[in-house]
Amino acid sequence: DGGITQSPKYLFRKEGQNVTLSCEQNLNHDAMYWYRQDPGQGLRLIYYSQIVNDFQKGDIAEGYSVSREKKESFPLTVTSAQKNPTAFYLCASSPRVRIDSNQPQHFGDGTRLSIL
Amino acid sequence: AQKITQTQPGMFVQEKEAVTLDCTYDTSDPSYGLFWYKQPSSGEMIFLIYQGSYDQQNATEGRYSLNFQKARKSANLVISASQLGDSAMYFCAMRYPMNYGGSQGNLIFGKGTKLSVKP
Repeated sequence: DGGITQSPKYLFRKEGQNVTLSCEQNLNHDAMYWYRQDPGQGLRLIYYSQIVNDFQKGDIAEGYSVSREKKESFPLTVTSAQKNPTAFYLCASSPRVRIDSNQPQHFGDGTRLSIL
Repeated sequence: AQKITQTQPGMFVQEKEAVTLDCTYDTSDPSYGLFWYKQPSSGEMIFLIYQGSYDQQNATEGRYSLNFQKARKSANLVISASQLGDSAMYFCAMRYPMNYGGSQGNLIFGKGTKLSVKP
């Protein structure tokens, strides 16, 4: 079955440590996205990539980094510069958007990151 | 600036009754898309329904329908015959207009409405 796989499901970070969240999709989608969700809040865009080897900052990119070396993969690194990383992280993908496209973003099951 | 507003933090509905979840949006662009997602307590985001700004009819998908009032900039989700499994967070989202260059395809999310279905 096609879908998006995020791992791990739960992740703990020590102070000063970088951690990497994995996101893999087999939907053959060009575009991929990372969102952060805090309790009782909507999703906020961290980074997005419309094509391999290219990515753009979203609304809250500070303290995060990404790479897009393969179409299927879009890992997110939460660096030590992110002072409040405790949140639920969701990865999504979609086809390249065409005019008035009704294609939704498809989401993984998320990773919950906590600080030790 | 693009903006999505969901004014109901929480809603209760009796099983088998219909419920309407409110969503208003703000954009000056004539071309946009509106999406509704369901997020159960397990966390995954499930796509429910889509409405394009040029669509002539309100979207429907099974028990879900969208009450799209373009002049009022509202896109309310109607769930008919509520089931216990409908208890979840519901998010309204708007896709960035097509003339936003590299941002096209990005979604802006509201803060969500928590729906609780009572037996």
